[in-house]
Amino acid sequence: EPEVTQTPSHQVTQMGQEVILRCVPISNHLYFYWYRQILGQKVEFLVSFYNNEISEKSEIFDDQFSVERPDGSNFTLKIRSTKLEDSAMYFCATLRETAGGTQYFGPGTRLLVL
Amino acid sequence: SQQGEEDPQALSIQEGENATMNCSYKTSINNLQWYRQNSGRGLVHLILIRSNEREKHSGRLRVTLDTSKKSSSLLITASRAADTASYFCATDKANSKLTFGKGITLSVRP
Repeated sequence: EPEVTQTPSHQVTQMGQEVILRCVPISNHLYFYWYRQILGQKVEFLVSFYNNEISEKSEIFDDQFSVERPDGSNFTLKIRSTKLEDSAMYFCATLRETAGGTQYFGPGTRLLVL
Repeated sequence: SQQGEEDPQALSIQEGENATMNCSYKTSINNLQWYRQNSGRGLVHLILIRSNEREKHSGRLRVTLDTSKKSSSLLITASRAADTASYFCATDKANSKLTFGKGITLSVRP
């Protein structure tokens, strides 16, 4: 069964450094999302991406964040200058079609900012 | 406003018993979905119920949706130790982003 994959599984970085989190969506899916989950808290929406552009973003997704699909397969989330509060689990999710179908989540990247 | 609030926050049962978890939400929705998360792991999709559906079954799972009360329940029958996990409800509207609740921690004792 096709799966969403994410790399790396864990990343430790120093405050102020840039990180890039990578996701490989399910091949025939058209809608892509990033969510994050701070330890012990609920999953929060960051951004949605469709047709090579951002379709919606949350208040969390400020100028330090960006997304792109550089090569038609990978979907990346970049944090330009990490802060301590960016430490969280980051999930990529993909959806085949709109109008609210099942979003399939990747296993997540655990980011720790020191 | 908070969307997708589950209760109870924690539930401990004996293997073989049924587990019932509830979710309430505040605004109109297209769909409501339940996900499971094992400790420190990813989110596994369990079941989706559309706003025009009232009940859905999948294996040992039964989900109900009451749009008049803006609530849903997830029933896991004949629970197993492997069902131990956190369970989240998530709602979406037409724009399809998911809004999650805080989750329910289910412990199934062998």
